Amino acid sequence: GAGVSQTPSNKVTEKGKYVELRCDPISGHTALYWYRQSLGQGPEFLIYFQGTGAADDSGLPNDRFFAVRPEGSVSTLKIQRTERGDSAVYLCASSLRTSGGKDTQYFGPGTRLTVL
Amino acid sequence: KNQVEQSPQSLIILEGKNCTLQCNYTVSPFSNLRWYKQDTGRGPVSLTIMTFSENTKSNGRYTATLDADTKQSSLHITASQLSDSASYICVVGSFSGYSTLTFGKGTMLLVSP
Repeated sequence: GAGVSQTPSNKVTEKGKYVELRCDPISGHTALYWYRQSLGQGPEFLIYFQGTGAADDSGLPNDRFFAVRPEGSVSTLKIQRTERGDSAVYLCASSLRTSGGKDTQYFGPGTRLTVL
Repeated sequence: KNQVEQSPQSLIILEGKNCTLQCNYTVSPFSNLRWYKQDTGRGPVSLTIMTFSENTKSNGRYTATLDADTKQSSLHITASQLSDSASYICVVGSFSGYSTLTFGKGTMLLVSP
């Protein structure tokens, strides 16, 4: 596609429910990143995929959060037993490759998650 | 701990005026420094990327500077336009086999007519 797309754009759920957030990266991009952005803050790193594997998941706050990228393209961020503190905008970014760290990351529009 | 501090937190300027945003960082090992523009409700968009050896880079009316010795960067916007109203985020990259990014909280710029 032309850019990174994320669905849904908005998600409202109740405390304790399970949610899935989807990211479609730019075609051909091997690297995919998930970030969480709270109001008035910069994005906070969650997890990074190189291909199908999670190269770094050190940013996931706890074991309620999990992400997959089974075919090396689309990724799904899964949150179990949601809590009100999980409310944030979840951003996805992709890059062509990590060539010495100068790769340009292209961000999607984000999914705004609200946990009531 | 890797940190990126930005100032000011917010700024209001008149259309047509210039402004400079500041970024200080403590990130190691340093790989690159980026400035992103984030419109409300949108994802960040890259403006500039600079490596250790680059001390200035321009993108239209945006000019970024980098002083790797003092670990400071600035983003200068000339002849501001209403469409420049956005959050400007300083991001420092570190590379250890793959790129990790540390984000600042951003400077919220409002350009007033």
